[in-house]
Amino acid sequence: EIVLTQSPGTLSLSPGERATLSCRASQRVSSNYLAWYQQKPGQAPRLLIYGASSRATGIPDRFSGSGSGTDFTLTISRLEPEDFAVYYCQQSGSSPWTFGQGTRVEIK
Amino acid sequence: EVHLVESGGGLIQPGGSLRLSCAASGFTVSSQFMSWVRQAPGKGLEWVSITYSDSYTFYADSVKDRFTISRDNSKNIMYLEMSSLRAEDTAVYYCVRVTGGAFDIWGQGTVVTVSS
Repeated sequence: EIVLTQSPGTLSLSPGERATLSCRASQRVSSNYLAWYQQKPGQAPRLLIYGASSRATGIPDRFSGSGSGTDFTLTISRLEPEDFAVYYCQQSGSSPWTFGQGTRVEIK
Repeated sequence: EVHLVESGGGLIQPGGSLRLSCAASGFTVSSQFMSWVRQAPGKGLEWVSITYSDSYTFYADSVKDRFTISRDNSKNIMYLEMSSLRAEDTAVYYCVRVTGGAFDIWGQGTVVTVSS
């Protein structure tokens, strides 16, 4: 099983700042089957990034994904008020599919 | 517009059984990979099961031999039959469409509580 470790656990930033979230896999994620999701309280998660770097439909371009192999990054270039949420990475390159434990982006 | 709506959650005693349903609109479940993902209270996301056809179904070890995923293509509905339920199965269960290995469409979730 591929274990995904996200860091930091919590990121305290102000609106307008840049957020950099990390996701490290215990084994290589094949074909870059790595996705990122945003979840707000009481809501279902929303797909942001798939294939490590492709933005999902309707996702603003301030969200970007990068990385390959075992190290992946989600960057939010300038935080908007609606971006404060929990973010999860997820891999589907190897069964069982797994999620990271999440990074909470909170208002400083 | 593409939508997924789950139903069937509730309070169930340990050892009991429950069937969750997921009604799809805007696309046909028979032509898509479909999955269930759950989230225990205050916890992260956990993949539970995936199906594409009768011969392509996979389960997390934590639910294997207790949960069964299936589809009724004529009704455009996916199901999750859960048996021998345990307290640790308590969670919000999300029905999700899978595209390119990513969970691209999510339902609103249905709450399952296993407690005596």
